[in-house]
Amino acid sequence: QSALTQPPSASGSPGQSVTISCTGTSSDVGGYNYVSWYQQHPGKAPKLMIYEVSKRPSGVPDRFSGSKSGNTASLTVSGLQAEDEADYYCSSYAGSNNPRVVFGGGTKLTVL
Amino acid sequence: QVQLVQSGAEVKKPGASVKVSCKVSGYTLTELSMHWVRQAPGKGLEWMGGFDPEDGETIYAQKFQGRVTMTEDTSTDTAYMELSSLRSEDTAVYYCATDSGGWYLFDYWGQGTLVTVSS
Repeated sequence: QSALTQPPSASGSPGQSVTISCTGTSSDVGGYNYVSWYQQHPGKAPKLMIYEVSKRPSGVPDRFSGSKSGNTASLTVSGLQAEDEADYYCSSYAGSNNPRVVFGGGTKLTVL
Repeated sequence: QVQLVQSGAEVKKPGASVKVSCKVSGYTLTELSMHWVRQAPGKGLEWMGGFDPEDGETIYAQKFQGRVTMTEDTSTDTAYMELSSLRSEDTAVYYCATDSGGWYLFDYWGQGTLVTVSS
């Protein structure tokens, strides 16, 4: 049982937009603006795509955007491309609790 | 640019210990907060512990306390994660990852080390 709840799957056609949700509690997602999103292709290490809810690291396309409302964070992928097909994980800082950071169970994004 | 290169796959028997290394290049280990995250086959990511610059010490996830030890050799810029009393449920890919922001965001990752626990 993961601490953050994500839908197991999402899909969209090339060029479309898809949004993946990540629901936590007031002790993690709702309590801090330290939500991150990671992309993981099969057999590869995760890659940071979004940090601090909506910031993109250098090199990440602006097709990827993040937002948060209350205890739920969201990742939106616009203009879907074939290479966006991957697993996506959210994470949130959880303050002085233990564990200090919690992850979602992951969402498999399929580009149809 | 930070690069993290981990040691190779390991096969261990239940009850044994495993020590995984993570060699840093591009930066020195003292400039980074190193963490360890694992992923069981077909499962999600799980934080095991890491250095918290606010606390000035390594914090271990409660689930692993007493079984995990994370150390650093600053002379070789190599971080280590040792997990003891291995059981089959510890079969996973273990990643080292750095946190540049100090808020448990992991911006650079090693390639992963598969640890298989089997009798």
